[in-house]
Amino acid sequence: EAGVVQSPRYKIIEKKQPVAFWCNPISGHNTLYWYLQNLGQGPELLIRYENEEAVDDSQLPKDRFSAERLKGVDSTLKIQPAELGDSAVYLCASSLTSGNTDTQYFGPGTRLTVL
Amino acid sequence: QQQVKQSPQSLIVQKGGISIINCAYENTAFDYFPWYQQFPGKGPALLIAIRPDVSEKKEGRFTISFNKSAKQFSLHIMDSQPGDSATYFCAASYSNYQLIWGAGTKLIIKP
Repeated sequence: EAGVVQSPRYKIIEKKQPVAFWCNPISGHNTLYWYLQNLGQGPELLIRYENEEAVDDSQLPKDRFSAERLKGVDSTLKIQPAELGDSAVYLCASSLTSGNTDTQYFGPGTRLTVL
Repeated sequence: QQQVKQSPQSLIVQKGGISIINCAYENTAFDYFPWYQQFPGKGPALLIAIRPDVSEKKEGRFTISFNKSAKQFSLHIMDSQPGDSATYFCAASYSNYQLIWGAGTKLIIKP
């Protein structure tokens, strides 16, 4: 069974440019998460989806970040415009349901560098 | 209240030794405590998890010890191997609340 797929793996952009990340979760997983991980730190939740509904986006900086999960499967996270401080690894994870004991399966992440 | 404090930040252990990583929490509502393992260039992967109704859980060389009264839990890696070299994260959650992650421990096993 394929795991969580993310693309691109690496992205280098100039500040103020837009950028988008794509995630394909494990088939059948209803819950999808986007995390931000800074170097040497644990993941920080940006947004959680249950099917196509964003049920927790309280930590998403909505002035520049947006996300969507069309048809409750794939998801896209966008930053516009990017700032230097957005340089980080963006992780996507999925789980079967939103129960807190459900295992979250992570993709390899997209490493974003903003110059 | 929502923090999970993890220590040490980094750890070097000789091959065959015991690696011990500690975490502490404040929120007594937490009822699920997983440990994740992350290799460079990969996403975290669940290693082992425990609920507070047990004091210890063992899976192969990996053991979680849980002290509810002290609000602490730890990961023990027995007979540590070079392939165990990775960053380890503890986390905690309750109900439908999000996982709260520790800051991570970079473990190096020296051959």
